[in-house]
Amino acid sequence: GAGVSQSPSNKVTEKGKDVELRCDPISGHTALYWYRQSLGQGLEFLIYFQGNSAPDKSGLPSDRFSAERTGGSVSTLTIQRTQQEDSAVYLCASSLVSTEPQHFGDGTRLSIL
Amino acid sequence: KQEVTQIPAALSVPEGENLVLNCSFTDSAIYNLQWFRQDPGKGLTSLLLIQSSQREQTSGRLNASLDKSSGRSTLYIAASQPGDSATYLCAVSRMDSSYKLIFGSGTRLLVRP
Repeated sequence: GAGVSQSPSNKVTEKGKDVELRCDPISGHTALYWYRQSLGQGLEFLIYFQGNSAPDKSGLPSDRFSAERTGGSVSTLTIQRTQQEDSAVYLCASSLVSTEPQHFGDGTRLSIL
Repeated sequence: KQEVTQIPAALSVPEGENLVLNCSFTDSAIYNLQWFRQDPGKGLTSLLLIQSSQREQTSGRLNASLDKSSGRSTLYIAASQPGDSATYLCAVSRMDSSYKLIFGSGTRLLVRP
């Protein structure tokens, strides 16, 4: 597709389980970003990838959160031992280069029971 | 620490009205400022991007202005339509981390037919 694709669109899981969220950026975009949108905190930056490297992962809330990007394309955000406060919409964005406008996917709505 | 505030939090207007959404930020050392639109259950769509050296940007019925010295931006929507109903988010990036968007909490707009 032409836009940023995220899967799954919705995920419901039990507290303590691990979850993996996937992002397919726009083809050719070298920069990729993860954000989290929650009711209490608004929209927050999590991590930035340039190619396969993550020069800034300062927004990851705890060591339960990790992300990787392979082949300069697909990225996965993994949350281990999920907690109820992890419930949020996780948005992925990509841009041609880091100084260009970011294009967002529709997000993954994560609900922790 | 950069903080972004948007006022009002919600706005309801009759169709055809001109309206102004406000965004303020605490640190004037910004790289750029963007206005986004978010429809329910969807990602963000970039509306306008203003570089730090610019004063305003226009696209169709939308006009965004930037006053860095006072830490303010406004989004002007002319002749509003029901299809403009959405949440509007303002985001700034800093000079030392231009890739990282810092978002306001948004203005939820309802345009009544």
